[in-house]
Amino acid sequence: SAVISQKPSRDICQRGTSLTIQCQVDSQVTMMFWYRQQPGQSLTLIATANQGSEATYESGFVIDKFPISRPNLTFSTLTVSNMSPEDSSIYLCSVVSATNEKLFFGSGTQLSVL
Amino acid sequence: KQEVTQIPAALSVPEGENLVLNCSFTDSAIYNLQWFRQDPGKGLTSLLLIQSSQREQTSGRLNASLDKSSGRSTLYIAASQPGDSATYLCAVSSAGRRALTFGSGTRLQVQP
Repeated sequence: SAVISQKPSRDICQRGTSLTIQCQVDSQVTMMFWYRQQPGQSLTLIATANQGSEATYESGFVIDKFPISRPNLTFSTLTVSNMSPEDSSIYLCSVVSATNEKLFFGSGTQLSVL
Repeated sequence: KQEVTQIPAALSVPEGENLVLNCSFTDSAIYNLQWFRQDPGKGLTSLLLIQSSQREQTSGRLNASLDKSSGRSTLYIAASQPGDSATYLCAVSSAGRRALTFGSGTRLQVQP
């Protein structure tokens, strides 16, 4: 199984600021994704992080608000820009294992925006 | 667009009971289906993965079945324990799209 290190685990931020979340995987993975889980809801896919190129965003999510980088196969960052209280959520990094195709998740980043 | 529904939304059972969680999906052209467990304040733990060509997978007290033609999956938990208390999420990846679409989850509480 893939071991994913995601940080920070939680943060409290002021409106209008930005936060960058990091995701580091200990093994080769085929794909990396970023999900959001709003309070009391299930997971929604934000984007697919593509190595060396622009991320592929889902409907309702845009690069200016959620810029994503993936400089190599095992590392990605998600930035939540110009935050508002509506961005308060858990953000999760996930990867598809190259060995068994299972999807694994980081422990998540609990973001609260005041 | 794939949609995943889970029933019931919440379930409370006494310890030792066998139980079934249900998942349905609208597009049968799936690549695989996964069941996850989510504990409060923690990430997701993968429980079982069923490929589209498979009918079921088993791990310990857990058994997941897949009926692709009817768009349904069930997660069977035998001899439930208080430690099984968590939210269980069903998710499917569609053919040609590896990202998962999640259901809203079933919140399970097993009473000691």
